[in-house]
Order: sequence, then C-alpha cells, then structure tokens
Amino acid sequence: KNEVEQSPQNLTAQEGEFITINCSYSVGISALHWLQQHPGGGIVSLFMLSSGKKKHGRLIATINIQEKHSSLHITASHPRDSAVYICAVRSNTGNQFYFGTGTSLTVIP
Amino acid sequence: NAGVMQNPRHLVRRRGQEARLRCSPMKGHSHVYWYRQLPEEGLKFMVYLQKENIIDESGMPKERFSAEFPKEGPSILRIQQVVRGDSAAYFCASSPQGAGVAYEQYFGPGTRLTVT
Repeated sequence: KNEVEQSPQNLTAQEGEFITINCSYSVGISALHWLQQHPGGGIVSLFMLSSGKKKHGRLIATINIQEKHSSLHITASHPRDSAVYICAVRSNTGNQFYFGTGTSLTVIP
Repeated sequence: NAGVMQNPRHLVRRRGQEARLRCSPMKGHSHVYWYRQLPEEGLKFMVYLQKENIIDESGMPKERFSAEFPKEGPSILRIQQVVRGDSAAYFCASSPQGAGVAYEQYFGPGTRLTVT
C-alpha cells in the first residue's frame, strides 16, 4: 500500500469550475507538499504545509493533521491549470519523501 | 537568481554504458535531493545530500547507482552499466537547508534518460 494516496486519479472540468484534489497519508509527517507537473515534465512546488491552510491566488491548500488528510482546491479553474498535481509528504522519522501517484487535471475551455 | 539546473536534459545510453547526470542547485542552497520518475509511475525519493555528505541514500538501488555532492561543482548521480529499466526522468531539487520543516524544495527541469 502506498504511503500517500491521491484521489481522483484523473479529473476533467469545465473552465470556471471549482476543483478539489484529495490526499491521504499513512505516515507521520513533518510537512506536506503540493507539486504541479506540466505536460513538458517540469515540476513546480505550489505549497508546503505543516498545519492549517495556505492560499496563493486561485489555489488553496488545507491540511488536517489528526485525520492525515490534505486537499488542494482550485477556484475558477482555467485551461492553463491543466497539469498533474502531486501530493508529497516528508516523514518525521527521517529524510524520506513519499509521493502520491498524482492527479491528472484537464480543464476544458 | 538562476533556478536549479540539470544537464543534460536528455541522455541516450546503450545498455552497459555509464550515465552521469548533473545538478547545480540554486545559489545559496547546500542541500540536494534526487528523485526518479519511471514511465507511468510517481516520483520516488532516491538520495539526499549535503555538500560532501550523503545524508540519506535509502531510496538508492543497492548496485550500480551512486551520488555525490562535492565541495565545488554540481551534484552528480552516476549510473553504471545501465539497463533498460533505468530509463526514466531523474529530477533533482535543492533547498537552502536540510531537514527543517520551513524549507521548500526547488526542482530542476529533469534529465530524461533513455537506455537503448
């Protein structure tokens, strides 16, 4: 079983829709990261969280440490948001990072 | 401030050859992480290095793979006697310091290794 599970695996949305991607993890963590990987392959770090909520533009990330769950929300989605979104956690017992398999998002104009 | 740089961006090797992948961290960053992304799979942690030290190599295959981050110059991931299963995208990331929660990682563009 993966230490990090994401859902859904694939998501298609109409432009303007509100999008939620979920991440659950089974290990103790010191931080959780949301990453964005574009079709060309480059990876951008969107958020790093250890508690609460962060907002950047149309992106919001939340984490519930007790429930070992995080969500990434995209408001007013746009075709340029189309990418793979990856949840990653850093173990609190070492330097290991564990990655989810990603959510492939396609936003249709 | 240039971002994390990796070269080459694409590398083709025949089975049995050696592959050397280079990663120059962001200016001021002294910690480097290497990750591998196999086709149709997620990212996997390989190794975490500080200048002149390997901090955690628990994700590295036991044979043929090695990594270094010398005092001067880029970090190098070396794969000896490559096999087709080594074909993947290899990403490095850097951070200003290491294990602290507060430090983000900045990713390079990746090196796509193809073994023929």
